[in-house]
Amino acid sequence: SQTIHQWPATLVQPVGSPLSLECTVEGTSNPNLYWYRQAAGRGLQLLFYSVGIGQISSEVPQNLSASRPQDRQFILSSKKLLLSDSGFYLCAWKTGGNEKLFFGSGTQLSVL
Amino acid sequence: AQTVTQSQPEMSVQEAETVTLSCTYDTSENNYYLFWYKQPPSRQMILVIRQEAYKQQNATENRFSVNFQKAAKSFSLKISDSQLGDTAMYFCARLGNTGFQKLVFGTGTRLLVSP
Repeated sequence: SQTIHQWPATLVQPVGSPLSLECTVEGTSNPNLYWYRQAAGRGLQLLFYSVGIGQISSEVPQNLSASRPQDRQFILSSKKLLLSDSGFYLCAWKTGGNEKLFFGSGTQLSVL
Repeated sequence: AQTVTQSQPEMSVQEAETVTLSCTYDTSENNYYLFWYKQPPSRQMILVIRQEAYKQQNATENRFSVNFQKAAKSFSLKISDSQLGDTAMYFCARLGNTGFQKLVFGTGTRLLVSP
C-alpha cells in the first residue's frame, strides 16, 4: 500500500535561518507531488507541484523553493526564513490516473 | 482565478442533528472533481466525500452526502446524525481535469458538534 512520510512534525527556527522539509512517498511510482501551506485559521494554499524528477512549478512568488531529486522525494527549502513563512506545511501526492490527493501529516513551522 | 468559496467560517450543531455546509466554486471546465476534506484537531487531512462533475447523482458516504448543483456551481455537504467526532475544520476543494491537476481549496468551515 502507498504511504507518505513527512518530517519533521514541528520545527522552530530563527528568522534568517535555512529550512529543509522533506516528504517521501512509498508504494507508487511517478506520483504528482504537492506542497501546500496553511496559515493559522485559513485554508490551504498551493505552493509548488511537480510531475517528475527535476520538474517544479511554483504557484506563488515567495521566499521558498522546492526540489525533487528523486521520483518519490519532494523537498521544500529556504535560504533565509522570514516571519511570514510560519505556518503548517502539508505534502501531498496523487497518481496521474487517480483524482484523489493523499496528504502527509504536516509540519508546523514557527519562525521566531 | 478559479476559486472555491466557503461563506460560513463557523457552524454549530447539536449531537444527532443535521447540518449543511455550503460551498460554491468557479470553473470554466465541463468536467472536474469536487471534494470535502475534514481536518480534525490532529490536522491530518481526511477525505470525506468526492463528486465527479459529469455524474448527476449526488455522492453519499454513510452519514455524509452532498447536494451538487452543477449549473449553480454549488456543492454543499450534509452531515446527518452529527457526532462529537465530527468536530473539525471542513474544506471544500475542486480538482480540474485539464492540464496539470491542481486541488484548489476553500477557506474552510469550522464545525462544532456539542452534546
